[in-house]
Amino acid sequence: GAVVSQHPSWVICKSGTSVKIECRSLDFQATTMFWYRQFPKQSLMLMATSNEGSKATYEQGVEKDKFLINHASLTLSTLTVTSAHPEDSSFYICSARAGDRGYEQYFGPGTRLTVT
Amino acid sequence: EDKVVQSPLSLVVHEGDTVTLNCSYEVTNFRSLLWYKQEKKAPTFLFMLTSSGIEKKSGRLSSILDKKELFSILNITATQTGDSAIYLCAGDSGGSNYKLTFGKGTLLTVNP
Repeated sequence: GAVVSQHPSWVICKSGTSVKIECRSLDFQATTMFWYRQFPKQSLMLMATSNEGSKATYEQGVEKDKFLINHASLTLSTLTVTSAHPEDSSFYICSARAGDRGYEQYFGPGTRLTVT
Repeated sequence: EDKVVQSPLSLVVHEGDTVTLNCSYEVTNFRSLLWYKQEKKAPTFLFMLTSSGIEKKSGRLSSILDKKELFSILNITATQTGDSAIYLCAGDSGGSNYKLTFGKGTLLTVNP
């Protein structure tokens, strides 16, 4: 149990376009979902936290108008990178927490974004 | 600002060696310290530590937390090439959102 999927697993897009990444909890209801970014040889940096049905809380330095997060249901959160630039190229990982399973976070497999 | 510092940043050992990875933390409203193993994709959970001095063990891996010194270690005995990975430690702060602050990780390479 506690499986989190992400789609797509990798994506290449052109500079200036927008990309949507989906994060789904497959066998539990995720009351909270987290989005992280990881640059090569760096750690996971929390970008934002989203609770179902409410606006995401963004970490300092993360542009909320650039990284749009929607957590419309208890099993799905999306991250949209708008007007992508090459410096947005990174590994994006989501995690999900189920309210009834304690506070452990379950991680998705990640999405590799390359902006050309 | 919450901070988690891991050392060493990288380590190269031979199969059969024992390694100790270090993690110090400064986390507001600290609740627990977590260790993850990351290979090519997302991190996989290893341990969650909430109490000082109680060792958690899983096979060749073990970990312990010192809440007084704000420190944790992860030990791996009889290392194998399959242990090669980045090991991440994260501090869990309290509050309604259960936020994790990750360290930079330790890249462990186990050579045959």
